[in-house]
Amino acid sequence: RKEVEQDPGPFNVPEGATVAFNCTYSNSASQSFFWYRQDCRKEPKLLMSVYSSGNEDGRFTAQLNRASQYISLLIRDSKLSDSATYLCVANYNFNKFYFGSGTKLNVKP
Amino acid sequence: DTEVTQTPKHLVMGMTNKKSLKCEQHMGHRAMYWYKQKAKKPPELMFVYSYEKLSINESVPSRFSPECPNSSLLNLHLHALQPEDSALYLCASSLIRLGYTGELFFGEGSRLTVL
Repeated sequence: RKEVEQDPGPFNVPEGATVAFNCTYSNSASQSFFWYRQDCRKEPKLLMSVYSSGNEDGRFTAQLNRASQYISLLIRDSKLSDSATYLCVANYNFNKFYFGSGTKLNVKP
Repeated sequence: DTEVTQTPKHLVMGMTNKKSLKCEQHMGHRAMYWYKQKAKKPPELMFVYSYEKLSINESVPSRFSPECPNSSLLNLHLHALQPEDSALYLCASSLIRLGYTGELFFGEGSRLTVL
C-alpha cells in the first residue's frame, strides 16, 4: 500500500470552475502535510502547508482530516495558469517526505 | 527564484564516465535531500543528510554516492550509471527544529541523460 494516494486525473475543467483534489495517507503518525505544484519539466514548488484548522491562501483552501487521514485542496475560480500537477506530501519519521503520485489539472479556456 | 542552486542543469554522460551533481543552499537548512524523478512520476527519495550526516539511504545502488562537505553543500557522485538512471535529479533542503521538520525547498534539478 502506498504511503500517500492521489487520484492521478487528469481533471479537465473550464476557466472559472471550482475543483477539489483529495489525498489519503496511510500512516497515522504523519506529522505535517503539504501541497506542491509542479509544472512540466520543472521542480516542485510549495503551494501550501496544510493544518488541522484548515488554511486559505487566495483562491486556494487546504484542509486536513486526521480522523479520516485525508487532505484536500480546493481551487476556486480556476485560471489557465493553474494547469499543473498537484502533489500531496506527508511528512513523518522526521525527515521522510512521502509524495503522492500527483493529480494533473488542465484548465481550459 | 529558487534558493537552492543545482549544477549542472543538464548532463549527458556515458556509462563509463564519472561525474558529479552539485547542490548549494544558504538558508541555514540542516537537512538536505536527493530525489530522483522520472517522467510522469513523483519524486522518489534517494538520500537524506541531517546535520551533515547521512541519515537515510533508500537502498540506492552504490553507483550513486552522496557527499555533504558542509551544511550548505550537497554532492551526488555518479559512476558507471545505466541508461535507466536517466532522470531529473532534484536537490532539496528543509529547516530542522526540535520535533519539527519544515517544508522542502527544491532546486531546479539536474537533468541527466546516460548514453
